[in-house]
Amino acid sequence: KQEVTQIPAALSVPEGENLVLNCSFTDSAIYNLQWFRQDPGKGLTSLLLIQSSQREQTSGRLNASLDKSSGRSTLYIAASQPGDSATYLCAVRPGYGQNFVFGPGTRLSVLP
Amino acid sequence: SAVISQKPSRDICQRGTSLTIQCQVDSQVTMMFWYRQQPGQSLTLIATANQGSEATYESGFVIDKFPISRPNLTFSTLTVSNMSPEDSSIYLCSVEGTGNTGELFFGEGSRLTVL
Repeated sequence: KQEVTQIPAALSVPEGENLVLNCSFTDSAIYNLQWFRQDPGKGLTSLLLIQSSQREQTSGRLNASLDKSSGRSTLYIAASQPGDSATYLCAVRPGYGQNFVFGPGTRLSVLP
Repeated sequence: SAVISQKPSRDICQRGTSLTIQCQVDSQVTMMFWYRQQPGQSLTLIATANQGSEATYESGFVIDKFPISRPNLTFSTLTVSNMSPEDSSIYLCSVEGTGNTGELFFGEGSRLTVL
């Protein structure tokens, strides 16, 4: 059974710093992996989707990488801003037509 | 992509009552997903709703407690029945976007507090 963990659970950084959020999954056979952002009390906003055949995806200041063999994905945020403060969740789809398995999230605070 | 509207965005409910959450999508989709997010927790899938058939519930969730309707390809409702304080959560509607990428999109969520 696929399990997803995220480290650290919480992170506080000063504005302008580059940072890395980690996502680990137990079964390397995945269909895709998706990173989301969630503001307090709100829904999830899709950030990046990485298919199993891809190594990374980029959108603006965000870069997500995928290493299936080690069961890891990282979300790199460049030049962090206070507006980046949110909880970041990663989710893994084990196979085509299967449901996503969500990690617990990393709560990020970017201090001005 | 997909644009999903949920109503209500938040509500405070009394113990023993029921509340229906509505989810409207801007395009026709085969499956709609309902998730629950308890305070401080990650997301748990409640059920998958297909148009024209009974919803498929995940382990630990039953139709009597969480009845779901799916009258057409752009709309679904989730009812939380006979609520207790343990039902206080964010309830989220989700769909896969068009284009066969398997990307998941979410509504803004419905934050329920049960007193």
